[in-house]
Amino acid sequence: DGGITQSPKYLFRKEGQNVTLSCEQNLNHDAMYWYRQDPGQGLRLIYYSQIVNDFQKGDIAEGYSVSREKKESFPLTVTSAQKNPTAFYLCASSLPSGPNIQYFGAGTRLSVL
Amino acid sequence: QKEVEQNSGPLSVPEGAIASLNCTYSDRVSQSFFWYRQYSGKSPELIMSIYSNGDKEDGRFTAQLNKASQYVSLLIRDSQPSDSATYLCAVGPRDTGRRALTFGSGTRLQVQP
Repeated sequence: DGGITQSPKYLFRKEGQNVTLSCEQNLNHDAMYWYRQDPGQGLRLIYYSQIVNDFQKGDIAEGYSVSREKKESFPLTVTSAQKNPTAFYLCASSLPSGPNIQYFGAGTRLSVL
Repeated sequence: QKEVEQNSGPLSVPEGAIASLNCTYSDRVSQSFFWYRQYSGKSPELIMSIYSNGDKEDGRFTAQLNKASQYVSLLIRDSQPSDSATYLCAVGPRDTGRRALTFGSGTRLQVQP
């Protein structure tokens, strides 16, 4: 089945620790995105990538880093510089042209210990 | 100033009634508009997309777009308790080089049995 797989489902971070959230897709989509959702809020864009080896900062990139070494994979690292990382993190993908219909993974819920 | 505005709700309707959800956006040259449904603790799923003025119907759902007034709405006919969720409005950007969407904070719909 085609889709977007995010792992882990739940993640706990200790103070000063970097953690990496995984996002893999087998939809053959070129574009991938990371969003953050806080309780009762909409989605805010962290980073996005339209092609392999290229990515752009979104609205709230500080404290996060990404890589795009393969078309299928777009991991997000939450660094120790992100002081308030507790949130629901969503990965999405879309085709590079035409209407920007985005499909989402199941999400990773990150909490701070 | 928020770019995409939605009433947070909750919007409460009885089973079988029509639910009307509204969204306004600030970027006058936005080109694409989406409605996502998000159940509590889950990721958003696309239910409707609309790109030109007027109505678009899909089963019990009708999306309405008025670019002159900068609003988009979603009507749900014969509302069911299973429709109880948060509905996110998303708008495609003016800058076609940036392939991300701007999301509203969502309207929570409660369908009373």
